[in-house]
Amino acid sequence: NAGVMQNPRHLVRRRGQEARLRCSPMKGHSHVYWYRQLPEEGLKFMVYLQKENIIDESGMPKERFSAEFPKEGPSILRIQQVVRGDSAAYFCASSPAGVVVTEAFFGQGTRLTVV
Amino acid sequence: AQSVAQPEDQVNVAEGNPLTVKCTYSVSGNPYLFWYVQYPNRGLQFLLKYITGDNLVKGSYGFEAEFNKSQTSFHLKKPSALVSDSALYFCAVRPGYSSASKIIFGSGTRLSIRP
Repeated sequence: NAGVMQNPRHLVRRRGQEARLRCSPMKGHSHVYWYRQLPEEGLKFMVYLQKENIIDESGMPKERFSAEFPKEGPSILRIQQVVRGDSAAYFCASSPAGVVVTEAFFGQGTRLTVV
Repeated sequence: AQSVAQPEDQVNVAEGNPLTVKCTYSVSGNPYLFWYVQYPNRGLQFLLKYITGDNLVKGSYGFEAEFNKSQTSFHLKKPSALVSDSALYFCAVRPGYSSASKIIFGSGTRLSIRP
């Protein structure tokens, strides 16, 4: 059973370009979380999605950032018109649906560098 | 609002000595609590969780944590530290009032084990 897959692992974008980060959850998982980590800092919650639904986007900046988790395919975190301050590691985690609470499983992250 | 506090940015311990990494939380309802470890340039790895039942939970790599409801704490412990335990440790909480709730992480504690 493959783990949470994120790609690309490293992404370099010039200021003003768009960044698309992909996350394929573990097989059977229908919940996806996105977090951002700045160097030497903790994880900041961005968005929580279930298939075709955004459950909680309270941590997502109102502008330039969007996320989706379609019925088919990976979850996408999209950052439009990137700025230097967007440089960070972005982590995706997934968990299964159901009544029993389980831990979330993390991918290796995408390290975005804006130049 | 739910929150997690890790009061120590860094903990230094000699190899073979016991270690404790502190965590306190604030959440509505019963908490679901987790500990994760992060090695350099990697994603987060799950260590252990408290959902219900025995206040002392055991996890991976010899780690354990004690849930204390009156002190709203969930400290991570290990009886004898190894140099290989050196890493960044995160405490996380998920409120139990809803199955559709986000997981919030603390700011992290860097554990350094000296030989």
